[in-house]
Amino acid sequence: SQTIHQWPATLVQPVGSPLSLECTVEGTSNPNLYWYRQAAGRGLQLLFYSVGIGQISSEVPQNLSASRPQDRQFILSSKKLLLSDSGFYLCAWSLTNSPLHFGNGTRLTVT
Amino acid sequence: AQSVTQLDSQVPVFEEAPVELRCNYSSSVSVYLFWYVQYPNQGLQLLLKYLSGSTLVKGINGFEAEFNKSQTSFHLRKPSVHISDTAEYFCAVAPRNQGGKLIFGQGTELSVKP
Repeated sequence: SQTIHQWPATLVQPVGSPLSLECTVEGTSNPNLYWYRQAAGRGLQLLFYSVGIGQISSEVPQNLSASRPQDRQFILSSKKLLLSDSGFYLCAWSLTNSPLHFGNGTRLTVT
Repeated sequence: AQSVTQLDSQVPVFEEAPVELRCNYSSSVSVYLFWYVQYPNQGLQLLLKYLSGSTLVKGINGFEAEFNKSQTSFHLRKPSVHISDTAEYFCAVAPRNQGGKLIFGQGTELSVKP
C-alpha cells in the first residue's frame, strides 16, 4: 500500500533563517506531488505541484520554492523565512484523476 | 477558475443529532468533488468523493453527500453524530482535466457536545 511521510512534525525557526521540509511517498510510481499551506483560521492554499522529476509549478508568488530531485521526493524550501511563513504545511500525492492523499503535516512557527 | 464556499465556519451540535455541513462551488468546467476531515494537528483524510454516476455518495464514518448540479452544491450529512466526529471538515473541487489540483473551501469546524 502507499504511504506518505512528512517531516519534521513541528519546527520553530527564527526570521531570516532557511527552511527545508521533506516529503516522500512509498508504494507508487510517478505520483503527482503537492505542497499546501494552511494558515491559522484559513483554508488550504495550494503552493506548488509537480507532475514529474524537476517539474514544478508555482500557484502563488511567495518566499518559498519547491524541488523534486527524485520521483517520490518533494522538498519545500526557503532561503530566508518571514513571519508570514508560519502555518501548517501539508504534502500530498495523487495519481491522475484520483483523490489526494495527505501527509500528517508540519507545524512551522517563525519567531 | 473554481471556487468553493463553505457556508458555515462553525457548527455546534449535540451528540446523536443529525448534521449538515453546506458547500457550494462555482466552476466553468466539470469538476470532481470531495470532502476531507482534519483532526487536530493532523493531515487531511478523505471522507468521500463524487467523480460520476449516482449523485448520492456514501463515505466513511457514516457520512454521505449529495451532488446537486443545478444548485452547484455538495452538502455533507450524517444522521447521528458522535463526539469523535468533532473535527474540521473541508469541501474541495478539482477540474476534471486536472484531477489532483484541489481547490478547498475555508473549512467548517464541527463541534459535537455531549
